[in-house]
Amino acid sequence: GQSLEQPSEVTAVEGAIVQINCTYQTSGFYGLSWYQQHDGGAPTFLSYNALDGLEETGRFSSFLSRSDSYGYLLLQELQMKDSASYFCAVRSRTGFQKLVFGTGTRLLVSP
Amino acid sequence: EAQVTQNPRYLITVTGKKLTVTCSQNMNHEYMSWYRQDPGLGLRQIYYSMNVEVTDKGDVPEGYKVSRKEKRNFPLILESPSPNQTSLYFCASSSTPGQGHWYEQYFGPGTRLTVT
Repeated sequence: GQSLEQPSEVTAVEGAIVQINCTYQTSGFYGLSWYQQHDGGAPTFLSYNALDGLEETGRFSSFLSRSDSYGYLLLQELQMKDSASYFCAVRSRTGFQKLVFGTGTRLLVSP
Repeated sequence: EAQVTQNPRYLITVTGKKLTVTCSQNMNHEYMSWYRQDPGLGLRQIYYSMNVEVTDKGDVPEGYKVSRKEKRNFPLILESPSPNQTSLYFCASSSTPGQGHWYEQYFGPGTRLTVT
């Protein structure tokens, strides 16, 4: 089976940098995705790592290391609006149609 | 505007009364999926569809049915709802490998269902 573990909650202050980790137990997946979800809202796509290494999109970066079964989302210059839940997710190569999400990390940004 | 729509957004019903939650996408995506979200459990896949008339079970299919008669629509059917199906439901769509940003799923706004 597949499982992805994330810390349940992370707190930080405005302007800071925070890293949200995702460790997984799965074999043969396409890549690691990250989604953001504000309270009461729908998940929205943030980033995708097909290969090992760092992907940067503005203030957000995502990293994947398949050898370490580990990835993370890095948020820089935190803003209040970044307070949300963040989910990592993978699609298995043996079953593209199955998307498995991590348990989610609630990020609280304070002034 | 590219979007996934769901209806209704909120629904309160009673045990055993059949209901349907509709989902529609305007992006010509082949892949569609239903998830339920419960506190502490994250998003769990109920059913998915790779194309018209092609559907299969996800991780938590018990008590649900789906159909895919048209590419754009993927309704979720609860034949006999029970209180343990009280949840927040999301429909999502994406293209398939080899087609654009296939790895990006577009989610609908969600349907909050309460079964009493």
